[in-house]
Amino acid sequence: DGGITQSPKYLFRKEGQNVTLSCEQNLNHDAMYWYRQDPGQGLRLIYYSQIVNDFQKGDIAEGYSVSREKKESFPLTVTSAQKNPTAFYLCASSIFWENTEAFFGQGTRLTVV
Amino acid sequence: AQSVAQPEDQVNVAEGNPLTVKCTYSVSGNPYLFWYVQYPNRGLQFLLKYITGDNLVKGSYGFEAEFNKSQTSFHLKKPSALVSDSALYFCAVNSGNTGKLIFGQGTTLQVKP
Repeated sequence: DGGITQSPKYLFRKEGQNVTLSCEQNLNHDAMYWYRQDPGQGLRLIYYSQIVNDFQKGDIAEGYSVSREKKESFPLTVTSAQKNPTAFYLCASSIFWENTEAFFGQGTRLTVV
Repeated sequence: AQSVAQPEDQVNVAEGNPLTVKCTYSVSGNPYLFWYVQYPNRGLQFLLKYITGDNLVKGSYGFEAEFNKSQTSFHLKKPSALVSDSALYFCAVNSGNTGKLIFGQGTTLQVKP
């Protein structure tokens, strides 16, 4: 059963903590993306990766870090430097990043407590 | 810079009436355009895309979109709206020059019985 899986679905973080959001895909896709969704602001690109061991900053990369050690996995770490991390985080993947549609995970809702 | 604009935060239509959700874009190369739908607390689902060729693109659930190069627009349409079409709709663009998939702010579609 192919797809893209994000975990956990809900995550709570204390002030000053780093947390890591998991994203795994078994679609054999080359490109993977992380987006942040806030009410009224749509989706904003945090990081994206076109191939293994390579990734680029998106529009709001500050306070976040990623790795792409395997084709299937693109974890996102929300560091303590991210001052307002409460949001809905979406991971996506696609075959060729130009003209094919992206497939999305079900999202992780991160809340700072 | 690559960008997408959805000028309406919300669109309200009566069930059975035609609907249009507007999208305009700005890219430096050839645009690859996409429409996605999001239901509450879920990931995005792909509806349709324009790559090249016929300006009228047909997609899932009876949706279609019209590409207009001179107006740099890619409006989503449906001849007869259903209450179940009520959701958040996103337009996205990938110019291929940057590898970035950029989304608009989103438009909430409300279809009333």
